[in-house]
Amino acid sequence: SVLLYQKPNRDICQSGTSLKIQCVADSQVVSMFWYQQFQEQSLMLMATANEGSEATYESGFTKDKFPISRPNLTFSTLTVNNARPGDSSIYFCSSRAGTNNERLFFGHGTKLSVL
Amino acid sequence: GEQVEQLPSILRVQEGSSASINCSYEDSASNYFPWYKQEPGENPKLIIDIRSNMERKQIQELIVLLDKKAKRFSLHITDTQPGDSAMYFCAASAYNAGAKLTFGGGTRLTVRP
Repeated sequence: SVLLYQKPNRDICQSGTSLKIQCVADSQVVSMFWYQQFQEQSLMLMATANEGSEATYESGFTKDKFPISRPNLTFSTLTVNNARPGDSSIYFCSSRAGTNNERLFFGHGTKLSVL
Repeated sequence: GEQVEQLPSILRVQEGSSASINCSYEDSASNYFPWYKQEPGENPKLIIDIRSNMERKQIQELIVLLDKKAKRFSLHITDTQPGDSAMYFCAASAYNAGAKLTFGGGTRLTVRP
């Protein structure tokens, strides 16, 4: 497995501000995936981040709104720009590991509340 | 892209009975099907998974069945306990490190004592 540490655990910010979420893995991983989860809802993939290349975004998510960096094989950051109350949710970083790198493991999540 | 449908969205069972959750997928290229349990305030945790070269897998009280032809898979929890109460998510993906996992909508399971 892989352990993923996210910082901060939770944050409260004002509308229009930006915040950054960090994710650190305890081992090198090929891809990091960022998911968004609203209260009592499913996990929505936002983007896939590989080292040294631009993140690939899913429909409904853009790099202007959610820029992601992946400077090395153990680290990634997700920024929420121009935060709005509708961005209030939990953000998880995740990565695949295991014998064949098939299993997806999640960080503990960052709960964001936008006022 | 892949779409995963999960039913039911809410499931209430009596302690000691069985609980079943069903999922279907669309992309025949998907060959890996994990199940996650998420408790309030926690991250999703992998509880069991199955690859497309299997039809059935069991870990203690958890049984997963896969019907590739019908593109359906299911989770069965036998002898449910109150500690099994949680959100459960199925997912599907191709089987490699860079492949993205698509999740079902989730099932809120409540086990009544």
